[in-house]
Amino acid sequence: LAKTTQPISMDSYEGQEVNITCSHNNIATNDYITWYQQFPSQGPRFIIQGYKTKVTNEVASLFIPADRKSSTLSLPRVSLSDTAVYYCLVGGNDYKLSFGAGTTVTVRA
Amino acid sequence: GAVVSQHPSRVICKSGTSVKIECRSLDFQATTMFWYRQFPKQSLMLMATSNEGSKATYEQGVEKDKFLINHASLTLSTLTVTSAHPEDSSFYICSAGRDGTGIEGGGYTDTQYFGPGTRLTVL
Repeated sequence: LAKTTQPISMDSYEGQEVNITCSHNNIATNDYITWYQQFPSQGPRFIIQGYKTKVTNEVASLFIPADRKSSTLSLPRVSLSDTAVYYCLVGGNDYKLSFGAGTTVTVRA
Repeated sequence: GAVVSQHPSRVICKSGTSVKIECRSLDFQATTMFWYRQFPKQSLMLMATSNEGSKATYEQGVEKDKFLINHASLTLSTLTVTSAHPEDSSFYICSAGRDGTGIEGGGYTDTQYFGPGTRLTVL
């Protein structure tokens, strides 16, 4: 499984855009990138998934450069309810994922 | 879509008893389910991979006789913590794998969807 590195924590204010970059230098050809959000005492929630370039959905965007050795999750106009731990995971078609420490995002008023 | 439920959400039991936790994929079939454990302020730790109709595969250090996993159907996996002790107290989370579509590079966007978790407290 490809190892990922992401910042331990990030602080932001309501209404700002938050960008979390994840490094995955050993990503394999078949691997795709998935981001999850976790609130305390809840299971992780799927946010977004991508293989290359840019993916956007109703809650976030995922930017992946051509070499795929990193990816950036972009959360537009965050609110207090976006305070959570965000996990970047890289995996192939066997589902298996390895969770790192994640990034604790704290949004302040 | 892709909803996974867990039951119970919270359980308190006495030391030495067994506890069963159910994990269900409600709107899709899952040939593969996973069980994780999460201690306070820590990340998720994979305990085992459960495949429908076959024996579970346990991660190193996880006692298969203590954490019994059964994946009897494409929508249900159960985790039984046998002879629970206080050190087994933790947050247990299951996930179900949903088959995805093909992508460039030959892979598939198979994705894990997680249940809400079960808080186990052993007294």
